[in-house]
Amino acid sequence: QQPVQSPQAVILREGEDAVINCSSSKALYSVHWYRQKHGEAPVFLMILLKGGEQKGHEKISASFNEKKQQSSLYLTASQLSYSGTYFCGSPNPGAGGTSYGKLTFGQGTILTVHP
Amino acid sequence: EAQVTQNPRYLITVTGKKLTVTCSQNMNHEYMSWYRQDPGLGLRQIYYSMNVEVTDKGDVPEGYKVSRKEKRNFPLILESPSPNQTSLYFCASSLQGYGYTFGSGTRLTVV
Repeated sequence: QQPVQSPQAVILREGEDAVINCSSSKALYSVHWYRQKHGEAPVFLMILLKGGEQKGHEKISASFNEKKQQSSLYLTASQLSYSGTYFCGSPNPGAGGTSYGKLTFGQGTILTVHP
Repeated sequence: EAQVTQNPRYLITVTGKKLTVTCSQNMNHEYMSWYRQDPGLGLRQIYYSMNVEVTDKGDVPEGYKVSRKEKRNFPLILESPSPNQTSLYFCASSLQGYGYTFGSGTRLTVV
């Protein structure tokens, strides 16, 4: 089942902060985050493997709450280069353990940063 | 340069004419996957492979076939394309699934 992202779109001025949420009605065993700029391929940002984990990439960080079945992506002091569509992805566990082969993405959050 | 290479980048074809989109990676990755991207629907997984000769269905496999005879190649086959398969297709690869590298995409139009 597809993870649900919110908001669907957000518009910022340079320097402002944003939060993108990713939630699932099924258990989340790990969460991937990707960014796709217009006309380009998605680019991997980070993966969170266990509940309570937090990670950072430049001024972008993420948290993973396994019990609440959700993850959040935090963009601080946004830059023009942060514009794009952000996707969270959730792998479905295979028989006998966790499989990262079947990776289902949310519908995406469009982030626009203006000067 | 480490990369995933898809060909062709653009393809216009007619309904029912079999086609193959090639995908090759030079990173010795075990995991490979195909996605289609449509406006408002995000990235939907078609098929994935966790190693040579090991493939499985994603969320939207109908109308597609794949094969994984070599580790580096993972072609996507549309044996009888239909207009509803008009889409942007991405191939991706990963070392054990921890973060995928995507190809540049193939924009397919079926008329």
